[in-house]
Amino acid sequence: AQKVTQAQTEISVVEKEDVTLDCVYETRDTTYYLFWYKQPPSGELVFLIRRNSFDEQNEISGRYSWNFQKSTSSFNFTITASQVVDSAVYFCALSEAWAGTASKLTFGTGTRLQVTL
Amino acid sequence: KAGVTQTPRYLIKTRGQQVTLSCSPISGHRSVSWYQQTPGQGLQFLFEYFSETQRNKGNFPGRFSGRQFSNSRSEMNVSTLELGDSALYLCASSFPGQITDTQYFGPGTRLTVL
Repeated sequence: AQKVTQAQTEISVVEKEDVTLDCVYETRDTTYYLFWYKQPPSGELVFLIRRNSFDEQNEISGRYSWNFQKSTSSFNFTITASQVVDSAVYFCALSEAWAGTASKLTFGTGTRLQVTL
Repeated sequence: KAGVTQTPRYLIKTRGQQVTLSCSPISGHRSVSWYQQTPGQGLQFLFEYFSETQRNKGNFPGRFSGRQFSNSRSEMNVSTLELGDSALYLCASSFPGQITDTQYFGPGTRLTVL
């Protein structure tokens, strides 16, 4: 069965520090999609990034970057020069191809990021 | 483009009652999924509707049901409420609802069962 593990429960950083959120996943499928979502105190899950299993190219988008490594089943997410507005709970999620649809995301337990001045 | 909207945003019910939550997807999106978020169990998939048909279902009791209308709006119903049903219920939509799609979430309905 699919599983997503976010070992970091809570991280506190000072503004402008870089922070990396870890995500390890388990799946039997060879085709799958990985996501990062952000949940601010308002409760809405905000989509950040998506990666498919056959594209291990790592990218940078503004202050966000991610490191996808199939060999270690990891999909880590980095925020560069963190800001107070980045304070939120971050979720890593997995969607498997066998499910046939974009739904049935399996989420990790989330990492609460606190950015202070 | 307006995002996913959910109504009501907050709801208080008592045990044994039933409740209906509503979700309007992003215009043009045809797939609507529902998730339950609790401190103990985290985010869990409830079910997905596509073209008015339930296409996928999570591991929840039959007290949880849903439907989708021809305009893709969806409702979720929970009957015979239990204290453990207190949660944030999130709705997500995607177009057209394939594995390659990204789900976009609404603000959620926070249900409190007393």
